Amino acid sequence: EAGVAQSPRYKIIEKRQSVAFWCNPISGHATLYWYQQILGQGPKLLIQFQNNGVVDDSQLPKDRFSAERLKGVDSTLKIQPAKLEDSAVYLCASSSSGQGLTRETQYFGPGTRLLVL
Amino acid sequence: SQQGEEDPQALSIQEGENATMNCSYKTSINNLQWYRQNSGRGLVHLILIRSNEREKHSGRLRVTLDTSKKSSSLLITASRAADTASYFCATANAGNNRKLIWGLGTSLAVNP
Repeated sequence: EAGVAQSPRYKIIEKRQSVAFWCNPISGHATLYWYQQILGQGPKLLIQFQNNGVVDDSQLPKDRFSAERLKGVDSTLKIQPAKLEDSAVYLCASSSSGQGLTRETQYFGPGTRLLVL
Repeated sequence: SQQGEEDPQALSIQEGENATMNCSYKTSINNLQWYRQNSGRGLVHLILIRSNEREKHSGRLRVTLDTSKKSSSLLITASRAADTASYFCATANAGNNRKLIWGLGTSLAVNP
């Protein structure tokens, strides 16, 4: 079973530029998450999708961050304009729509490391 | 916002020793999960314990949960150099029990 795919793996941009990250979840997984992980901290949930609908985006800075999952499969996360404090690893995860453990376990991609100069 | 707080922040042990990490959380939970993160394999799920369970085992891992104290511990027995990683606890609250709130993690170094 292929894992969660993310691209790019690394990105360096200057502040005020825009950037986009792409995620393809595990096939059949209905729930998709985007996290921001700042060095030395745990992941912080930015947005959670169930199919193509948003379940939780309470911690998404909506003035500069946006995310979509138009067909309920892959997803993009965009930052525009970027700030220095956006430097972090952006993780995508997915979970299945089954019952019990498979529903509650999240499977993570390798992440995109963003550096804003 | 961070829910869990892991203790210690960093731990260094010799191969073959046991490693114990603790996690405290603030609100009522549906389940608590432990994940491992290293540069090679990213963030990987280790074990899930539900609020009505007190102890769970998986290979060399043993997790306990004390809901009265809002705390959990992860024990890794007979540690190996490959166990070197950061370990995070994450809690799922009632309601949206797929949403995880994460602690700051414990950095474990296992020295050969």
